[in-house]
Amino acid sequence: AQTVTQSQPEMSVQEAETVTLSCTYDTSESDYYLFWYKQPPSRQMILVIRQEAYKQQNATENRFSVNFQKAAKSFSLKISDSQLGDAAMYFCAYRNNSGGGADGLTFGKGTHLIIQP
Amino acid sequence: EAGVAQSPRYKIIEKRQSVAFWCNPISGHATLYWYQQILGQGPKLLIQFQNNGVVDDSQLPKDRFSAERLKGVDSTLKIQPAKLEDSAVYLCASSLERVSTEQFFGPGTRLTVL
Repeated sequence: AQTVTQSQPEMSVQEAETVTLSCTYDTSESDYYLFWYKQPPSRQMILVIRQEAYKQQNATENRFSVNFQKAAKSFSLKISDSQLGDAAMYFCAYRNNSGGGADGLTFGKGTHLIIQP
Repeated sequence: EAGVAQSPRYKIIEKRQSVAFWCNPISGHATLYWYQQILGQGPKLLIQFQNNGVVDDSQLPKDRFSAERLKGVDSTLKIQPAKLEDSAVYLCASSLERVSTEQFFGPGTRLTVL
């Protein structure tokens, strides 16, 4: 079974600064996807960024980028120029891509990101 | 395009009572998921449907939880009887097909069992 670990229950950053959220995972599969989701107090899960395991290039979406280290099974999220609207719970998630079975997401416990004005 | 709809948004019940949650996925999405999110944790998959068939229900407590997706569109998740530990947010998500990379989530139903 796959597991996802987020070791930072809470992180705080000053507005306009850069913050990195950590995530490690464990799997015996070679083909999979990794995701970062944002969950504000409204509870709506919003996809921030995704990474395909077979792609070596790190994914980037505007101010959000990842550092994907496949051998180390590490998948961190970097948020540049932090904004007040970035404050939320952030979840790292894994999805198998074997194509033949279930593909529900496996989530970490989340990191609560606080933005200091 | 309308998102994933869920109702009710909040529900409070006594233990041993029954409760049902409803989910309407994005139009045309064949795959539907139910997740349980206990306070302070990440969501956990309960069941996955492909059209109206079950793909994975390995983490569904089948002695008290049931789910159906008649006609491959709307879905209902039921708990009978509820226990205190069932207090959680129940999230519904859908995706265009099983190999689709993105799941779209609804706003969730917060259940409190007293």
